[in-house]
Order: sequence, then C-alpha cells, then structure tokens
Amino acid sequence: DIQMTQSPSSLSASVGDRVTITCQASQDIRNYLNWYQQKPGKAPKLLIYDTSNLKTGVPSRFSGSGSATDFTFTISSLQPEDIATYYCQQYKKLPVTFGGGTKVEIK
Amino acid sequence: EVQLLDSGGGLAQPGGSLRLSCAASGFTYINYVMSWVRQAPGKGLQCVSSISGSGSSTYYADSVKGRFTISRDNSKNTVFLQMKSLRAEDTAIYYCVKDFYNGDYGTVFDHWGQGTLVTVSA
Repeated sequence: DIQMTQSPSSLSASVGDRVTITCQASQDIRNYLNWYQQKPGKAPKLLIYDTSNLKTGVPSRFSGSGSATDFTFTISSLQPEDIATYYCQQYKKLPVTFGGGTKVEIK
Repeated sequence: EVQLLDSGGGLAQPGGSLRLSCAASGFTYINYVMSWVRQAPGKGLQCVSSISGSGSSTYYADSVKGRFTISRDNSKNTVFLQMKSLRAEDTAIYYCVKDFYNGDYGTVFDHWGQGTLVTVSA
C-alpha cells in the first residue's frame, strides 16, 4: 500500500497567518492527490483534487501544489472558520489511502 | 444540489450483520462511482468499498473482503453495503460518498453523506 505521511499532525496559528501542510507519498503518485477538510462532528469535504484544482465554491485562500511524492496544501490567510482537520489522499493505486490528518487550531 | 442520505447503522453483536443504505439525488446517479468510507472513533479515513456506475466493477479493502458486499439499484438511486461477520474493529461512522469521476473505483470523493454510526459490541 502507498503510505501517506502528513506533517505536522497539528498546528496552532493566528487569524490571517499563512498555513502550510505537507503530505509525502511512499512512492510516485504523479498528481493523483486530493485534500479534504473535516470540521468537528461533520463529514469531510473535498477542497482540492488532482493536486491543485480547487473544487467549485471553495474559497481561493486554499491552494495545493506538488508532484510525484511531495505535496503542499496552503491556506493563504487563516480564517476562524478554517478550524478543522485536513487530510490528503492518493488514488494512484488501490487501495486509495489517506494521510493521518493535520488538526488546525487558532492561536 | 447533490444529496446523500445514509442510514442503517446501529448496534450489532460481534458476528452479526447490518445493511447500510444511501439514497442519492441531485445528479445523474448511474454516471458515478459510489463508495463507502469509514472513520473509527477519533481515527482517520478508510475507503472500504466502491462500485462503478453500472455496478460491474467493485472494490473491497482487504479488511472487509469476504464479509462486506456493495451493491446499487440504479432505478432507485440507492447504494447498499451489506455487512456480515462484524467485528469490534468495524465500529466506525460509515459515509456514503459520490465520486467526482466515472471510473471503476473511488478516486476523488466529491460529496459525502452525513454518516451513519455502526457499533459492534456484545
């Protein structure tokens, strides 16, 4: 199975800060990488697919980049409503696998 | 608007069975892969099963293969997950998920149901 390693596992930042989360795949997954947001007690939501494509309706402060094994998710200006856990997920090879998640909190 | 209404969760004894259902609306149902993704309490996400739009292709995680069966009724826009020989480690919230693409298995999990809790305990 392809292992997805996210870091950090949690972070605390101030409103307006730039937040960056990394996701490393155990093998080349090309651009088959998605990012999800899960707020407490809610179902996950797709934010970014195929590394850098923003899902329709998702605010432009969210972005993604990377290729092969190293990927980055960025919130350009953290807002209070962004408090959530974020997951990366690869679908280059079955089984599709998720990262362990990054919990984002407000400082 | 895409809506996914999953149901059927509850308490089951080890070795028991449950059948989850998910009623979909707001999109051309037959055109999309549907999946079940679960989340154990306080844990991460795992795709346990997927089914192609026509129903001809299915996928199962190794941990559920031989115990779970996914199916869909395209006349009723509903997907099912029959779960048998349940184990304590199957305890989780199960989410019904619509895929972004029309393929053979789950790839981009585009829309999620609200989830249904399955608890396996004596």
